[in-house]
Amino acid sequence: DAMVIQNPRYQVTQFGKPVTLSCSQTLNHNVMYWYQQKSSQAPKLLFHYYDKDFNNEADTPDNFQSRRPNTSFCFLDIRSPGLGDAAMYLCATSSDVGGGSGYEQYFGPGTRLTVT
Amino acid sequence: SQQGEEDPQALSIQEGENATMNCSYKTSINNLQWYRQNSGRGLVHLILIRSNEREKHSGRLRVTLDTSKKSSSLLITASRAADTASYFCATGRMDSSYKLIFGSGTRLLVRP
Repeated sequence: DAMVIQNPRYQVTQFGKPVTLSCSQTLNHNVMYWYQQKSSQAPKLLFHYYDKDFNNEADTPDNFQSRRPNTSFCFLDIRSPGLGDAAMYLCATSSDVGGGSGYEQYFGPGTRLTVT
Repeated sequence: SQQGEEDPQALSIQEGENATMNCSYKTSINNLQWYRQNSGRGLVHLILIRSNEREKHSGRLRVTLDTSKKSSSLLITASRAADTASYFCATGRMDSSYKLIFGSGTRLLVRP
């Protein structure tokens, strides 16, 4: 089945130690998103790729970076994790091909990041 | 920033009852979507309603949209224990409908 896969599901890192979360998709969607979700809160968009074009949200800290080497894969790099970065990180995809109004997003299961 | 506010924040009902969740937003939208999230999992898309639509059905789900009041509601009929989850509304902007802003969510508990 076509899907969005996130690895690892659980990640523990030390304060200040760089960490990379990965996302892959078999949907061949051209848009990929990274969200941060803290406990009992709404998912917050960090950035997205529209094809190869990277789009950062204005309030996303510089500590967060992303890479998309090809259509299928996208990575979230946290350069120096702080305690406040502990959260669930969700990857999602959508297809913007063909125009129209409104595109549903397909989410991966998330990676829960713990910072010690 | 534009964001949906959901009401109630938490809802507890008995199995078989209907559950209604409301969402309000601030600016003009292209579309509004509802998602479900089981505890500790990713979100699952439930239904999308476009700004020129007023009502949409999918199985036991009914969504309404009132653009004049900038509000939407999600009705789950004949609820089941398996419907226990958090439900989020998300609005797509007019200038970039593929980007969504999520509301604060309603935590639904359906008691067996």
